Amino acid sequence: DAGITQSPRHKVTETGTPVTLRCHQTENHRYMYWYRQDPGHGLRLIHYSYGVKDTDKGEVSDGYSVSRSKTEDFLLTLESATSSQTSVYFCAIRLQGRDEQYFGPGTRLTVT
Amino acid sequence: AQKVTQAQTEISVVEKEDVTLDCVYETRDTTYYLFWYKQPPSGELVFLIRRNSFDEQNEISGRYSWNFQKSTSSFNFTITASQVVDSAVYFCALIETYGGATNKLIFGTGTLLAVQP
Repeated sequence: DAGITQSPRHKVTETGTPVTLRCHQTENHRYMYWYRQDPGHGLRLIHYSYGVKDTDKGEVSDGYSVSRSKTEDFLLTLESATSSQTSVYFCAIRLQGRDEQYFGPGTRLTVT
Repeated sequence: AQKVTQAQTEISVVEKEDVTLDCVYETRDTTYYLFWYKQPPSGELVFLIRRNSFDEQNEISGRYSWNFQKSTSSFNFTITASQVVDSAVYFCALIETYGGATNKLIFGTGTLLAVQP
């Protein structure tokens, strides 16, 4: 158990509304990642962080922003949600000195 | 560019059969890591194994075994004597850059394994 929680676990929102998803970890891991999972695409990286206030884009970052003001929290924001952002969102951490990533339980987001 | 291909979208077997899940990868780097993850119907992603590009030794863990062949750019996963609890989506993934912030996992599209009783 890598001590990762995500909130909310489920959310339904309307097109055009802002949405923030939270990833929380309890073990001071430096590296954190946000992925989205869609049928036929596997998981794709949205943004990642390598420290407080240090973030960078992944392959599908358009329409998303992130913030990391403290080690334990990595926030993913959809500024104006669109139906194409309906997905399951996973947060992940990487342990220092390791290469594998450990995932949170996921957030299912539906944009109507 | 780096890419992971899992050509088998769905596989259905009967319990106790052996099954192999295929994974083919593309990378220009000589240093890379390969992974398998399991996603059961409950939805969580479970890390199964990591293999680095310098270690071609096959690995066995109970009923699970992995065959890494650089010559064919493949990292296949075999489940021996499958059980219903093995039913899940299995993802193969690749990291091309060793260490640092750029450890970005590239996932295949997954193989859905259904084990029938």
